[in-house]
Amino acid sequence: ELKVEQNPLFLSMQEGKNYTIYCNYSTTSDRLYWYRQDPGKSLESLFVLLSNGAVKQEGRLMASLDTKARLSTLHITAAVHDLSATYFCAVAPLLYSGAGSYQLTFGKGTKLSVIP
Amino acid sequence: AAGVIQSPRHLIKEKRETATLKCYPIPRHDTVYWYQQGPGQDPQFLISFYEKMQSDKGSIPDRFSAQQFSDYHSELNMSSLELGDSALYFCASSFAGAGEQFFGPGTRLTVL
Repeated sequence: ELKVEQNPLFLSMQEGKNYTIYCNYSTTSDRLYWYRQDPGKSLESLFVLLSNGAVKQEGRLMASLDTKARLSTLHITAAVHDLSATYFCAVAPLLYSGAGSYQLTFGKGTKLSVIP
Repeated sequence: AAGVIQSPRHLIKEKRETATLKCYPIPRHDTVYWYQQGPGQDPQFLISFYEKMQSDKGSIPDRFSAQQFSDYHSELNMSSLELGDSALYFCASSFAGAGEQFFGPGTRLTVL
């Protein structure tokens, strides 16, 4: 059974500071996703990481994937209040289970609060 | 760009009633996933369909059933509703092989 662990689960940080969210998963996978969710809203795709060593950046967020360590990180640079949200990592199984289905297993989420 | 459409967006039901949630995937996407997200929880996979056939099953109660129709839209049928079924229900779609799932806005189900 695939398990995904995120830490920290809660993060309160001041504007302008840097921080990293960690995502560990238990079995081999080649697809990892980061999503942002605002309260009561849908899941907004941030990054799709498909290979070992993949690094992607968008604005103040940068995500990386180490498939050998089964670890992904989401780094926040110079945080601003607009980044306050819950961030989820999600992992798809390496093997197809039947015909093209990649159900996602999510971490518990990191609730980020950026304080002015 | 077209996104995943879910209806209704909000639904209030009494215990033991039934509910039907609908999902219209992005055009040309042939795979649909259903997830349930309880308050303060992470989304949990329920069931998926590929080319109108059930492809995977997760933690879906026996009281729930789902299907994908010839036009690729999907419906999640929920019977004998319980208080614990109150949650956000997301549908996601993808093009088989590409893997990336695009989520709909969700249906908020409240069971009273």
